[in-house]
Amino acid sequence: AQSVTQLGSHVSVSEGALVLLRCNYSSSVPPYLFWYVQYPNQGLQLLLKYTTGATLVKGINGFEAEFKKSETSFHLTKPSAHMSDAAEYFCAVSGTGSARQLTFGSGTQLTVLP
Amino acid sequence: NAGVTQTPKFQVLKTGQSMTLQCAQDMNHNSMYWYRQDPGMGLRLIYYSASEGTTDKGEVPNGYNVSRLNKREFSLRLESAAPSQTSVYFCASNDARGWDYEQYFGPGTRLTVT
Repeated sequence: AQSVTQLGSHVSVSEGALVLLRCNYSSSVPPYLFWYVQYPNQGLQLLLKYTTGATLVKGINGFEAEFKKSETSFHLTKPSAHMSDAAEYFCAVSGTGSARQLTFGSGTQLTVLP
Repeated sequence: NAGVTQTPKFQVLKTGQSMTLQCAQDMNHNSMYWYRQDPGMGLRLIYYSASEGTTDKGEVPNGYNVSRLNKREFSLRLESAAPSQTSVYFCASNDARGWDYEQYFGPGTRLTVT
């Protein structure tokens, strides 16, 4: 069985500060990992994904994440927060069978302070 | 290209009433999914369909039924709604046979059961 833990249900940063959202996973097979963002009253949008290859993955809106197998982590970072980054962020791990259902973390609400 | 569409966007039901949530995708994806989102719990998989003609239970299937009507459409039915089913429901799809593991999400249906 797979699981995802997101540390910190709420994170606040000042505009221009570093954003760090933490994600740890558990998987019995090589994981495929995702970060999704959800703006208020909207669906989920993919930020970035790791499947194979380079462990540092770059996504949209200046976000990136690094897959660290030894730490079973996939933390999301952005060097400089913008007010428009305020949203809820979800880390997810994918199954590798005939379907690709996702197991999500509980989410982290990011607040950006002026 | 509309992507994943869901109807209705909002619905209020009384306890014991039934309803069907509709989902359609125009990306020729073979796999489709239904999730529910509750505060502090992330998204949880209700049912999924790995391919046309197959459906399987996810993490929280009790109280729901699904139908994969054709390759494009995947509906979720609540036979006798309960207040515990108050949630936001998301449909998603992807091409699980390929190398693109990304799931594409609809805008969601906000359901309130009184």
